[in-house]
Amino acid sequence: DVKVTQSSRYLVKRTGEKVFLECVQDMDHENMFWYRQDPGLGLRLIYFSYDVKMKEKGDIPEGYSVSREKKERFSLILESASTNQTSMYLCASSYLTGGNQPQHFGDGTRLSIL
Amino acid sequence: QQQVKQSPQSLIVQKGGISIINCAYENTAFDYFPWYQQFPGKGPALLIAIRPDVSEKKEGRFTISFNKSAKQFSLHIMDSQPGDSATYFCAARRDAGNMLTFGGGTRLMVKP
Repeated sequence: DVKVTQSSRYLVKRTGEKVFLECVQDMDHENMFWYRQDPGLGLRLIYFSYDVKMKEKGDIPEGYSVSREKKERFSLILESASTNQTSMYLCASSYLTGGNQPQHFGDGTRLSIL
Repeated sequence: QQQVKQSPQSLIVQKGGISIINCAYENTAFDYFPWYQQFPGKGPALLIAIRPDVSEKKEGRFTISFNKSAKQFSLHIMDSQPGDSATYFCAARRDAGNMLTFGGGTRLMVKP
């Protein structure tokens, strides 16, 4: 069974702090994704990566950066946290090729910025 | 700007009834349309998916209907059960890189 593990279920940080959200997958997937989930807005893509050290901006990259130093690990970084980044953050992974590959999600990190 | 619009935002159905969730999209380059199911405290999980060259796909009590000319697709849950209570997301794949655009979600409650 595919397992996508997010390091924290709940996180509380202060405005201006640098915040790191970590995600690890155990299926040797090429693709990894970071989304934020807000009520009524669904899941919005922040960044994705299709290989080590490769990254592409999604729909809402402002205020975020990412790091992928190893294939299994994808980190989301909030450079200077702001209250409007309070949200549920979801990590996902998938194979890059081979037909209609589903994205497998972690259980999310609920981040509160005070 | 949401490229996939989902309705309704919330839905209450009696046990045994039919739940219907609708989605509409704009980008004709979308080539794959999955539905994800999310239970509280869990991440979304793939429920069922359809390609645009097929008008209907059924898996157990779950059916996707797809109307390419109208750029609409819908999820039907037959004989809805309390265990189906969850948030449902439609999505559309943008390109071969497996990037998805999600709808806003529908919170379904099935009353016993």
